[in-house]
Amino acid sequence: DAEITQSPRHKITETGRQVTLACHQTWNHNNMFWYRQDLGHGLRLIHYSYGVQDTNKGEVSDGYSVSRSNTEDLPLTLESAASSQTSVYFCASSESGGKLGEYFGPGTRLTVL
Amino acid sequence: GEDVEQSLFLSVREGDSSVINCTYTDSSSTYLYWYKQEPGAGLQLLTYIFSNMDMKQDQRLTVLLNKKDKHLSLRIADTQTGDSAIYFCAEELSGGYQKVTFGTGTKLQVIP
Repeated sequence: DAEITQSPRHKITETGRQVTLACHQTWNHNNMFWYRQDLGHGLRLIHYSYGVQDTNKGEVSDGYSVSRSNTEDLPLTLESAASSQTSVYFCASSESGGKLGEYFGPGTRLTVL
Repeated sequence: GEDVEQSLFLSVREGDSSVINCTYTDSSSTYLYWYKQEPGAGLQLLTYIFSNMDMKQDQRLTVLLNKKDKHLSLRIADTQTGDSAIYFCAEELSGGYQKVTFGTGTKLQVIP
């Protein structure tokens, strides 16, 4: 069965470190998304991609970067982790021209100390 | 700016209908979505509606859109204990995925 996976599921890091969160989908979807979820907020879009070599900034992209070298993967990098980036991160995918975030991964809980 | 609001909590008895409400402020929305999130899991897309539609029905789910009042609702018929979760509405504006706003979620508790 097709799926979307994230790793690690939990991560604790220190301020200033570089952190990369992995997202892998086997739906063969062109569209992939990264969101963060914080208490008292709905999900907020960090970055998204329409396909290989395409990346776009979302609402809260400062301090984050993504790269899309193949269809299956969209890793999210925190260049220099800050305590404000403590959050739960969700990756999602959808088919081309399709719905916003049709399938979501299980999430990565990141704590920045 | 855009804002999407939902009530925080809803409690219903098993077998009753649930109605979860959402209001939004931007009239240029293209799609409106409903998601379900169970504890410890990612969001699950339940249904979506084009902004030029008034209603959409999908099995036990009915979405109503009142564009004049900028009000979106999700009705779940014959609510089951498995429907207990947090429900999010989301608004996508013209301009693509970067113009997306999620509500803060409504926690639905189904009492057996």
